[in-house]
Amino acid sequence: ETGVTQSPTHLIKTRGQQVTLRCSSQSGHNTVSWYQQALGQGPQFIFQYYREEENGRGNFPPRFSGLQFPNYSSELNVNALELDDSALYLCASSLGPLEAFFGQGTRLTVV
Amino acid sequence: AQSVTQLGSHVSVSEGALVLLRCNYSSSVPPYLFWYVQYPNQGLQLLLKYTTGATLVKGINGFEAEFKKSETSFHLTKPSAHMSDAAEYFCAVRGMDSNYQLIWGAGTKLIIKP
Repeated sequence: ETGVTQSPTHLIKTRGQQVTLRCSSQSGHNTVSWYQQALGQGPQFIFQYYREEENGRGNFPPRFSGLQFPNYSSELNVNALELDDSALYLCASSLGPLEAFFGQGTRLTVV
Repeated sequence: AQSVTQLGSHVSVSEGALVLLRCNYSSSVPPYLFWYVQYPNQGLQLLLKYTTGATLVKGINGFEAEFKKSETSFHLTKPSAHMSDAAEYFCAVRGMDSNYQLIWGAGTKLIIKP
């Protein structure tokens, strides 16, 4: 079991609402990445934070935003939720180019 | 740009048989390579990794993978499949750009027949 924890584990939101997902990274890891995984598909890279700065972003619109805090924990915010945002959201922490350790994910359902 | 190809979206083997999941990558520089496993409705668990050194790497649950630079491959094997191995397996390469982004294959679902 990794030291990466995500909250909440499940949530249901209505289309148009906003949501905040949280991730506590493994001790000592200064890099946090977020992924969206739709049912039956592989992870899609949303963005990455290194020492509180976004240093990489995938093909996601600006309504997907994030933060990394001084303790390296992180938040993913999604505004104006759409039905297609329903997915498993995964957070991973790492130290540089070494392996990434994943949390259990947050299952978001948009209705 | 780097990419990862996993051959076969589904692989079915009998319990006790050899497991072989294929992964090929494209990279202009020596990559860092990873295999992850995902059980239903769970996060991704690292099985094994190649960074430098020995090209045959051993991981958890009896899995191993061999880095073959000449073939740009990193296939995952296990001598004898167990029912508990049924899961989805993802191969990933660590991009060597400034942000070390993980680049993923599409995944292979491993089915174990009794």
